[in-house]
Amino acid sequence: DGGITQSPKYLFRKEGQNVTLSCEQNLNHDAMYWYRQDPGQGLRLIYYSQIVNDFQKGDIAEGYSVSREKKESFPLTVTSAQKNPTAFYLCASSITGDYGYTFGSGTRLTVV
Amino acid sequence: EDQVTQSPEALRLQEGESSSLNCSYTVSGLRGLFWYRQDPGKGPEFLFTLYSAGEEKEKERLKATLTKKESFLHITAPKPEDSATYLCAVLGSSASKIIFGSGTRLSIRP
Repeated sequence: DGGITQSPKYLFRKEGQNVTLSCEQNLNHDAMYWYRQDPGQGLRLIYYSQIVNDFQKGDIAEGYSVSREKKESFPLTVTSAQKNPTAFYLCASSITGDYGYTFGSGTRLTVV
Repeated sequence: EDQVTQSPEALRLQEGESSSLNCSYTVSGLRGLFWYRQDPGKGPEFLFTLYSAGEEKEKERLKATLTKKESFLHITAPKPEDSATYLCAVLGSSASKIIFGSGTRLSIRP
């Protein structure tokens, strides 16, 4: 079955460490997105990519980095520069155009 | 700037008690309005896409409607398993990404 796979489901990080969240899709979607969700808040866009080897900053890109070397993969690195990284991270993909997104099941990151 | 506002923030209903969730939007040229359901600790699940005023779509106990300024998600005779957060999102003509509202947390008591 086609879909989006995020791993790991839970991730713990020590302060000062970088950590990379994985997102893989087999839907043949061109566009991919990373969102952050905090309790009681909506989805906030971190980065998005509409084609391979190209990506744009979203509303809260500071302290994060991404790469898009393959159409299927869009990993997100949470760097030590992100001051408050504990959150639920969601990856999504879509066909370019007026279509809704398909979401992964999320990664919950906790800084300890 | 495109904006999406959902109300109420939270809604508690008795099983079988019908109601509606509101999504007000401001966008320069609507390309699509989307409804999602999100269960705790999971990613949002796509429900509907609406493209033009007057359009309606249904799925089981849910019905989504669209006007030029807002969308409603009507839930008829809800069951406890309908409890979730419902997210509304819009895509404007000048945008390359969807803008999400903050959601409505729906709780259905047996």
